[in-house]
Amino acid sequence: DIVMTQSPLSLPVTPGEPASISCRSSQSLLHSSGHIFLDWYLQKPGQSPQLLIYMGSNRASGVPDRFSGSGSGTDFTLKISRVEADDVGVYYCMQTLQTRTFGQGTKVEIK
Amino acid sequence: QVQLQESGPGLVKPSETLSLTCTVSGDSINRYYWSWIRQPPGKGLEWIGYVHYSGTTNHNPSLKSRVSISVDTSKSQISLKLTSVTAADTAVYYCARLKGLRPLGNNYYHALDVWGQGTTVTVSS
Repeated sequence: DIVMTQSPLSLPVTPGEPASISCRSSQSLLHSSGHIFLDWYLQKPGQSPQLLIYMGSNRASGVPDRFSGSGSGTDFTLKISRVEADDVGVYYCMQTLQTRTFGQGTKVEIK
Repeated sequence: QVQLQESGPGLVKPSETLSLTCTVSGDSINRYYWSWIRQPPGKGLEWIGYVHYSGTTNHNPSLKSRVSISVDTSKSQISLKLTSVTAADTAVYYCARLKGLRPLGNNYYHALDVWGQGTTVTVSS
């Protein structure tokens, strides 16, 4: 199994400031197609998860452009350029190269 | 707008079979893959598996032969069965649509773009 490790597990943020979450995989997520097989999801309090980013860096429909995904090989990052109060929740990365596995989640909360 | 609604018993006894249904409305079931994911209390997400409307399935090997996922296109429903449950199977169970978002050769890259609200299942005697 591909193990996904996120850091930090808890991230206090200040509205208007940037934030960054790291996700590392135990194997490269580079597919033979040349694309990265990694998604990012946000689970807001009391809600189901929602898709933010797919294929490493593609924003899902309706996702604000303050969210961006990057990375290669085994190291990936989700960045929020300017955090808003509505961005609180738990962020998960998930690899899709093999049987899908999620990271532990990073809880983002307002300071 | 597509909506997914999970349903089933909220309480299942140890060693018995957990059976859940996900009803799809607002879109055709005959166009996508459909997935099950679960979340134990206070913990993270675990992939269970998926089914295609054609009947093709794939599931998490960690669940071994306990899991069965099927589709009933006439009812627009996806079903999950998990046998020989234990307390470790207590979780919120979500169904989600796996939609092709980006062409990749003869296939598509699929992501979980729509989720149901989830249903809580407790395994206890």
